[in-house]
Amino acid sequence: DAGVTQSPTHLIKTRGQQVTLRCSPKSGHDTVSWYQQALGQGPQFIFQYYEEEERQRGNFPDRFSGHQFPNYSSELNVNALLLGDSALYLCASSLEVGQNPYEQYFGPGTRLTVT
Amino acid sequence: GQNIDQPTEMTATEGAIVQINCTYQTSGFNGLFWYQQHAGEAPTFLSYNVLDGLEEKGRFSSFLSRSKGYSYLLLKELQMKDSASYLCAVSGNDMRFGAGTRLTVKP
Repeated sequence: DAGVTQSPTHLIKTRGQQVTLRCSPKSGHDTVSWYQQALGQGPQFIFQYYEEEERQRGNFPDRFSGHQFPNYSSELNVNALLLGDSALYLCASSLEVGQNPYEQYFGPGTRLTVT
Repeated sequence: GQNIDQPTEMTATEGAIVQINCTYQTSGFNGLFWYQQHAGEAPTFLSYNVLDGLEEKGRFSSFLSRSKGYSYLLLKELQMKDSASYLCAVSGNDMRFGAGTRLTVKP
């Protein structure tokens, strides 16, 4: 049973460029959340997708957008990259239980470096 | 505002017991989570509390007091492999994580 997978593992981009990160949830999971984790900090919630809709959003600008596909996989897009966007981007999947995510499984993350 | 506070660093000895505290102020409350994160790796789920009281799972226990906005993670019989960051997270209007407590276990 594959867990959460993310691609690519590492990525280097130039300021002003655009990037797309991909996530496949754990088998049987239908909810995907994205987080940004700066070095030495806890993950910061970007948004959550369920049934192909953005259900919750953290305090991130509109440059951060996403998508969920019918097979529950998801993409995170970041436009007009800034140096401060350099971070580990984590995807987490969970199974919808009532209104609340119970247990999230995290993927290995994508390390994005903006130069 | 919304805030989750936990100590930045802790050190303990192999075989000992350590308690990592977490206080929170969030909009809405649907549960409190503890995650373990080794350097360079993704967080892994340790525990979930939604009701007041103690949840025990092997060497790890987690306690919650909703009225006090307080939780702790208790690690018993510490092992060297327990050296990691421990993240407190609250599910409210969104999922909010603390900055993590870096635990170092010494022989």
